[in-house]
Amino acid sequence: GAGVSQTPSNKVTEKGKYVELRCDPISGHTALYWYRQSLGQGPEFLIYFQGTGAADDSGLPNDRFFAVRPEGSVSTLKIQRTERGDSAVYLCASTPRAGLGEQFFGPGTRLTVL
Amino acid sequence: DAKTTQPPSMDCAEGRAANLPCNHSTISGNEYVYWYRQIHSQGPQYIIHGLKNNETNEMASLIITEDRKSSTLILPHATLRDTAVYYCIVRVAGNNDMRFGAGTRLTVKP
Repeated sequence: GAGVSQTPSNKVTEKGKYVELRCDPISGHTALYWYRQSLGQGPEFLIYFQGTGAADDSGLPNDRFFAVRPEGSVSTLKIQRTERGDSAVYLCASTPRAGLGEQFFGPGTRLTVL
Repeated sequence: DAKTTQPPSMDCAEGRAANLPCNHSTISGNEYVYWYRQIHSQGPQYIIHGLKNNETNEMASLIITEDRKSSTLILPHATLRDTAVYYCIVRVAGNNDMRFGAGTRLTVKP
């Protein structure tokens, strides 16, 4: 596909469990972003990658959240010891390069922590 | 990045122009105005951006006031498919995160 894809589309888990959310950016895009969107609010920045390295992780809420992009393409957002407050839609976006260009968003993963 | 203020909701009749306002009174000289929209259950979609000149593309027009403290996104002939939440974002060139507010929920009615 030509767009950003995210899997799974929906994830239901129990409090305390570990989850991984995957993002496949548009081929060739070097910059990748993760956002979190709670109900009724706009997306909230979490972390940004340029290539394989996390260039800015200032939006990660705490050390239970971690993201990797080992080969500079696919990225995985990892959440340890999930809490009910982590329930949200997790959005991924990519751009051809970092900076000014428009960000292309995926459809998101809806995470529900019971 | 500067803060933006948008009305929480607006209605528009199908076929008419939708004019969505945004205030960004603390905008700096190197900050651009971006507009995205989010249709229900989808990720945000880029619409348009500008620095100080008015801009137009196939989706919309962006009018920025001379003092750059406010802007208006214009959808010239709104359709039912334009029903969405519209976000106005002010962003410094080179900044890699975008600060979304709550946006304006536009409802296009038949």
